[in-house]
Amino acid sequence: KAGVTQTPRYLIKTRGQQVTLSCSPISGHRSVSWYQQTPGQGLQFLFEYFSETQRNKGNFPGRFSGRQFSNSRSEMNVSTLELGDSALYLCASSDQGGYYGYTFGSGTRLTVV
Amino acid sequence: GENVEQHPSTLSVQEGDSAVIKCTYSDSASNYFPWYKQELGKRPQLIIDIRSNVGEKKDQRIAVTLNKTAKHFSLHITETQPEDSAVYFCAASIGNGNKLVFGAGTILRVKS
Repeated sequence: KAGVTQTPRYLIKTRGQQVTLSCSPISGHRSVSWYQQTPGQGLQFLFEYFSETQRNKGNFPGRFSGRQFSNSRSEMNVSTLELGDSALYLCASSDQGGYYGYTFGSGTRLTVV
Repeated sequence: GENVEQHPSTLSVQEGDSAVIKCTYSDSASNYFPWYKQELGKRPQLIIDIRSNVGEKKDQRIAVTLNKTAKHFSLHITETQPEDSAVYFCAASIGNGNKLVFGAGTILRVKS
C-alpha cells in the first residue's frame, strides 16, 4: 500500500499571501485529519474530513479551511498568511477516524516571511 | 475539556535503563490512547496503543498502562537503546472518537 502523500514538501510564502496544501491518504482510507506542528505548541488539531464532510474542527481562525474530494484526497488552505503560521503541517490518514489510528504523512514545511 | 498533559518534557537516560513517560487526560469519554514516536525530520509513527477496555499492553520492550479512574496512562520503555532517542507523543481520542488530541511531547535522549 502506498503511504500518505503530502505535497509540496516545502513552501516559502510572503505575509498576506494564501497557500494550498495537498494530502492523498492511504488507498481506501476515508478520514483525513490535519495538524499544525510547532516547537512550542506541539501537534494542534485543525480539522478532520470524512467522506467529503468536515466532521471535526479545531480552534483555528477562519483563515484556515479545508476540503475533501470524492477520491478522499484533501486540501487545506490558509489565507492572509501571518508569520505565526510558519509550521510543519501534517496530514493523518485513517480508515474511519482517530479511534482507529492514524498514519501520518511527511508533512509540508511552510515558512512565512 | 480537551486537554492532554504530558510529563516530563525532556528525559535523559543511560543506555540499558528504563524510561517512563506519563500523560493525563481530561475527557472522561476518551477511550483510545496511542503513542507516537517522531525521529528528527521524520513523520510521527504509531508505536503502541491501548483501548479503554484494557489496563496494560506490551510489545517487546515497550508497554503502555492505563488507569481510567485516575485518567492517566504511561509509556514504559525497558532496556533503552540509542535508537530510542526521539520525541514521543501521547494522544487521547476525544468526544465521538474521531479526533485525537496530543500531548506536548517528550524528548527522550538515550546516552551510550
